[in-house]
Amino acid sequence: DAMVIQNPRYQVTQFGKPVTLSCSQTLNHNVMYWYQQKSSQAPKLLFHYYDKDFNNEADTPDNFQSRRPNTSFCFLDIRSPGLGDAAMYLCATSRWRGESDTQYFGPGTRLTVL
Amino acid sequence: QKEVEQNSGPLSVPEGAIASLNCTYSDRGSQSFFWYRQYSGKSPELIMFIYSNGDKEDGRFTAQLNKASQYVSLLIRDSQPSDSATYLCAVRSNFGNEKLTFGTGTRLTIIP
Repeated sequence: DAMVIQNPRYQVTQFGKPVTLSCSQTLNHNVMYWYQQKSSQAPKLLFHYYDKDFNNEADTPDNFQSRRPNTSFCFLDIRSPGLGDAAMYLCATSRWRGESDTQYFGPGTRLTVL
Repeated sequence: QKEVEQNSGPLSVPEGAIASLNCTYSDRGSQSFFWYRQYSGKSPELIMFIYSNGDKEDGRFTAQLNKASQYVSLLIRDSQPSDSATYLCAVRSNFGNEKLTFGTGTRLTIIP
C-alpha cells in the first residue's frame, strides 16, 4: 500500500544531543512537510519542500534543519534539542497544488528530550 | 485573532445522535477546507474536504461551507464511540498554495 512512513516512532534524546528523524513516502508526491505538534495544540508547520525547493517558515528556529535527498525521503535534523522541543513530529505529503489536493500524514515520531 | 478557530470542547454527544463541529476562519481568500480526525497519540487522518459553498456528504459525515460567513462545519450522523477523537479543521488560503493552516481542534466524546 502507498503510504507515508516515519522512523523511528519514538525517539529519546538528551538535551543538546543532535537527532535526525526520517520520513519516506511511496505516494510519489511532490510536496513533503514537517510539522511539530505539542499536546492539545494545532500542528505547526516547520518547513516544506516543493520538489527540491525548500520553504522555511519564518518562525522556525535555526535549530531545525531539513534535507530532501530525493523524492521519496525527507529528514528533520534537530541540532541541539532543548526540553521545549519535546513533541510529536509529523511528516505529511501532498501531490500538487490543486484545489482538492490533500495532505496525508505519516504516523509521527514522538520525541522525548531528557 | 486566530486564523482558524474551533471550539476546543470537549463536546459530549450521546451514541446515535448527531455531532456538530464548527470552524471559522479569518482569511476571506481561503479556498479549500479540510477536516481531519486525530485519535489521542496518533497522527491526523483526512475525513473529507470541501471547496464549494453548500453541503458535501460522505457516508455518516457531512461538511458544510458558507464562505460569506467564513464558516465550515462537520456533522457526524449516528455517532459511534469510535468517533471519539479530536477533529481538526484546516484551511488553504488560495489555489496554488500548498500550505494548510490548522485550528487547535475540537475534542469529541461519544457517550455510549
